[in-house]
Amino acid sequence: GAVVSQHPSRVICKSGTSVKIECRSLDFQATTMFWYRQFPKQSLMLMATSNEGSKATYEQGVEKDKFLINHASLTLSTLTVTSAHPEDSSFYICSAPSGGVTQYFGPGTRLLVL
Amino acid sequence: LAKTTQPISMDSYEGQEVNITCSHNNIATNDYITWYQQFPSQGPRFIIQGYKTKVTNEVASLFIPADRKSSTLSLPRVSLSDTAVYYCLVGGSQGNLIFGKGTKLSVKP
Repeated sequence: GAVVSQHPSRVICKSGTSVKIECRSLDFQATTMFWYRQFPKQSLMLMATSNEGSKATYEQGVEKDKFLINHASLTLSTLTVTSAHPEDSSFYICSAPSGGVTQYFGPGTRLLVL
Repeated sequence: LAKTTQPISMDSYEGQEVNITCSHNNIATNDYITWYQQFPSQGPRFIIQGYKTKVTNEVASLFIPADRKSSTLSLPRVSLSDTAVYYCLVGGSQGNLIFGKGTKLSVKP
């Protein structure tokens, strides 16, 4: 299957700083990528849709000014958590569709804000 | 987007066949059914996808009745390493998937 990578795999930062998470499709191109957040013992929650060449679309309740998304190329989307706070600590996962309707997920990024 | 309903948890023993059923009563005509496996602190891993009837690959089978309002993931001869959360998702070409709570499968020796 298609491969999606994320970097970093885990990050610890101080409250008030910004953190950038990269999502790459390694062996295919993706005009659209998706960002999810997962809290402990909960399911994945869709945060936003990243669109190459245009603005991201955000799910209801997700602050677009706090979670900045840039789809710089057909293989790279970045999520920047601005002015991070402890409540932003979570597991962030991206996905990209390949072959039409099949989504492939990255390994996830564990964010801990102190 | 179609909502899915799965059992919250299931228990099994090594070597048994496990069947997890998912209900998706309002599935749309162009929706596919996809199952994912997730281990703790990892991203979901694609298991199998289908549109109708039966699909089989090297790890699982997917049974979809004619009305497509449900589907069953079948895992043959599970092992301890199959202990994970299994998600059934329904979606089309627009790509964005809405996750339900999933089924936590526990395989015991």
